[in-house]
Amino acid sequence: DVKVTQSSRYLVKRTGEKVFLECVQDMDHENMFWYRQDPGLGLRLIYFSYDVKMKEKGDIPEGYSVSREKKERFSLILESASTNQTSMYLCASRRHLKKGNDGNYGYTFGSGTRLTVV
Amino acid sequence: KQEVTQIPAALSVPEGENLVLNCSFTDSAIYNLQWFRQDPGKGLTSLLLIQSSQREQTSGRLNASLDKSSGRSTLYIAASQPGDSATYLCAVGGATNKLIFGTGTLLAVQP
Repeated sequence: DVKVTQSSRYLVKRTGEKVFLECVQDMDHENMFWYRQDPGLGLRLIYFSYDVKMKEKGDIPEGYSVSREKKERFSLILESASTNQTSMYLCASRRHLKKGNDGNYGYTFGSGTRLTVV
Repeated sequence: KQEVTQIPAALSVPEGENLVLNCSFTDSAIYNLQWFRQDPGKGLTSLLLIQSSQREQTSGRLNASLDKSSGRSTLYIAASQPGDSATYLCAVGGATNKLIFGTGTLLAVQP
């Protein structure tokens, strides 16, 4: 089974701090994703990466950056944490879509990181 | 723009009942549809994945169907148990490489 591991379950940080959220997957997946989940707003895509050193903005990238130096690891960076970034952050991975196997691959999610910025 | 809606938003049933959760999407050009379960404060657990060429998938007491032309999917849970209590999310995957989530159904199974 694919495993997606997020390094912290709970994190409390101060406003203005630089915050790193780490995600590691063990099945050689090309694609990795960062979502945040908020009550009433559902899951929203922040950034995704389809290969090492490649990244694309999702729907709400403002205030965030990402790093993918190795295939198995995808980091989400809050350059200067703010209280409106208090949320549940979810990492996911998936094998890259290929012709003929377009619908074959589902997403695997990590257990989430509950970040509180005070 | 793809939009995914789930009805009902919340559901409470007595233990042992069979139940159906609904998911609808506006753009039928999807690659697959995935049902997830989320327990409070936890991540998402994948339940079933249906490819666009398939009509249904089954896993234990769960059965998911897909009607792409009408933009609908259902998740059928047989003989519900208190341990089934959770939020159920459907999500559609397409060519954009993004997963679009529904709003979720909060299920409570009463012992």
